[in-house]
Amino acid sequence: QKEVEQDPGPLSVPEGAIVSLNCTYSNSAFQYFMWYRQYSRKGPELLMYTYSSGNKEDGRFTAQVDKSSKYISLFIRDSQPSDSATYLCAIPIYNQGGKLIFGQGTELSVKP
Amino acid sequence: DTAVSQTPKYLVTQMGNDKSIKCEQNLGHDTMYWYKQDSKKFLKIMFSYNNKELIINETVPNRFSPKSPDKAHLNLHINSLELGDSAVYFCASSQVTGTYNEQFFGPGTRLTVL
Repeated sequence: QKEVEQDPGPLSVPEGAIVSLNCTYSNSAFQYFMWYRQYSRKGPELLMYTYSSGNKEDGRFTAQVDKSSKYISLFIRDSQPSDSATYLCAIPIYNQGGKLIFGQGTELSVKP
Repeated sequence: DTAVSQTPKYLVTQMGNDKSIKCEQNLGHDTMYWYKQDSKKFLKIMFSYNNKELIINETVPNRFSPKSPDKAHLNLHINSLELGDSAVYFCASSQVTGTYNEQFFGPGTRLTVL
C-alpha cells in the first residue's frame, strides 16, 4: 500500500461549483498534512497545511483532516477558472531530513 | 526576486549523453532537494542536502549524482541518459524545523531524452 494515495482525476467542474479533493494515508503517526497547488508548467506551491485533526479555512479553501479514518480533504467553494491546476496532498516525514511524500495529484479544470 | 531558480528550463538530448541541471536558492534555507515528476504528475523525492551534506538518497540510479558546492546551490548531474529519464525535475528548498517543512519549488527543468 502506498503511504499516500490520491484520486488522480482529472476533475472538471463548472465555475461556482464546490470541489472536493481527497487523499488517504497509511501511517497513523503522521501529524502534518499539506496541500500544494501546481499550475501548468510551474513548480508546486504550498496552499494550506493542517496539524492533526480538524478543519482549517482560508478564504474559499478549507482543509480537513480525519485522523480516525486517515483521510484528508481540500474543499474549494465558489470555484473559479483561476483555480484550474493540479492539487497535490503532501505529508512531511518526521526525522527524515525534510522528506515530503506526495499523493499522485488531482488535475482540476474549472470551466467558465 | 526569484526564490528558487533552475537552469536550464528545457533540455533535449540524445540517449547516452551526460547533462547537468543547476539550482540556486536565495531564501537562506539550509536544506535543498531534487524531485522527479513523471508524465502522470507524480512527484517523487530523489535527494536532499542539508548544509552541503547528503541526507536523503531515495534509491536513485547512481547515474544521478547531486553536488552541493554551498548551501545555496544544488546541482544534478546525469550520466548516460536513458529514455526513462524524461521527466520534469524540480529543485526545492526549505528551512526544516521539526516536522513542519514548507518547501519552495523552482520552475522545473523539462528533460526530454530522444
